[in-house]
Amino acid sequence: KAGVTQTPRYLIKTRGQQVTLSCSPISGHRSVSWYQQTPGQGLQFLFEYFSETQRNKGNFPGRFSGRQFSNSRSEMNVSTLELGDSALYLCASSLYPGTGYEWTGELFFGEGSRLTVL
Amino acid sequence: GQQVMQIPQYQHVQEGEDFTTYCNSSTTLSNIQWYKQRPGGHPVFLIQLVKSGEVKKQKRLTFQFGEAKKNSSLHITATQTTDVGTYFCAGRKAKGNKLVFGAGTILRVKS
Repeated sequence: KAGVTQTPRYLIKTRGQQVTLSCSPISGHRSVSWYQQTPGQGLQFLFEYFSETQRNKGNFPGRFSGRQFSNSRSEMNVSTLELGDSALYLCASSLYPGTGYEWTGELFFGEGSRLTVL
Repeated sequence: GQQVMQIPQYQHVQEGEDFTTYCNSSTTLSNIQWYKQRPGGHPVFLIQLVKSGEVKKQKRLTFQFGEAKKNSSLHITATQTTDVGTYFCAGRKAKGNKLVFGAGTILRVKS
């Protein structure tokens, strides 16, 4: 079974630009979560999508947005990039509770998209 | 908002020594998970604890969930160089809620 696929793996942008990151979940997984990882800050929750609906949201400014498509693929967008947005952005897919599967709550992470803002 | 604190931030041990990382939540949790991230890698799920006072073992790893379901610990017996990485705890207030991660404990093992 293929794992979670994130693209692009690396990208460099300049302040003020915008960026779109993509995530393809494991086949059959309909829940996708996004996390920002920076040194010393751990994994900060951005948002979670299930069935094309945002189910949970973290404490990030409105410049950070996301969406999920009918095939469960997800994208996140960051507009008006700032230097502090430089980070590893991790996508994770999972089964969602109450969907009839045995729910373990396990998140399956992709390799991440490393964003550098200059 | 929900916060998960994890200590220590960093630990450097001699191979064969034991290691423990602790996790505390500001709120009662429905469940807690532990992940391991190798250097340059992505987090990988280790285990989920759900019941108050639950203890689970995976070979040299022992996981505990506190009676009040607000704290947890991961203990590694006789560390090996393969244990190197960052260990994260993560908790949910309820099923379907967001999974909030601690800042992680970086483990280095000297051989």
